[in-house]
Amino acid sequence: EDQVTQSPEALRLQEGESSSLNCSYTVSGLRGLFWYRQDPGKGPEFLFTLYSAGEEKEKERLKATLTKKESFLHITAPKPEDSATYLCAVRISGYSTLTFGKGTMLLVSP
Amino acid sequence: NAGVTQTPKFQVLKTGQSMTLQCAQDMNHEYMSWYRQDPGMGLRLIHYSVGAGITDQGEVPNGYNVSRSTTEDFPLRLLSAAPSQTSVYFCASSYSSGGGELFFGEGSRLTVL
Repeated sequence: EDQVTQSPEALRLQEGESSSLNCSYTVSGLRGLFWYRQDPGKGPEFLFTLYSAGEEKEKERLKATLTKKESFLHITAPKPEDSATYLCAVRISGYSTLTFGKGTMLLVSP
Repeated sequence: NAGVTQTPKFQVLKTGQSMTLQCAQDMNHEYMSWYRQDPGMGLRLIHYSVGAGITDQGEVPNGYNVSRSTTEDFPLRLLSAAPSQTSVYFCASSYSSGGGELFFGEGSRLTVL
């Protein structure tokens, strides 16, 4: 069965302490891996799409990478405003349907 | 530019009642979908639509109906609410049915007593 697993479930960092979130997937025919950010009480907000192994994308303090089995979301020198739940999702069909992991809740303390 | 608009934001129902969650997008998006989000379960797909007049089931469709009579609107109907349908519901749309990122609404929090 296709599966998306995110780790850790929760992560607490000090401001400026860099780290990485992991998203491993066991799907056949990956047609895109997506990262979203979700703030409490809000809908998920799109961050990145990765399509092929070796691809990398960056936005401010975030960098997403992709291998054949997993993706990493690297957070460099995080700030308290980076606190949120980060969701990983995969697209395996020809449609826009996404299958989501359960997310990693990130808390950055000042 | 409103994006994806969901109403109501909060709703309390009694078991057996029916209701409709509304979703509208003003981006001329082809693809629309409904997810539910439960603690420890992540986002799960209920129904989706690849264009007006076309709908299909997702992972957890039981107890829900949808229709897509216009490009802009994609309502989700709960036929006879059950406590297991207590959840936060998100509507999402995408420019193309063939891929691309999903744009989400702010969510509708439903409690069934």
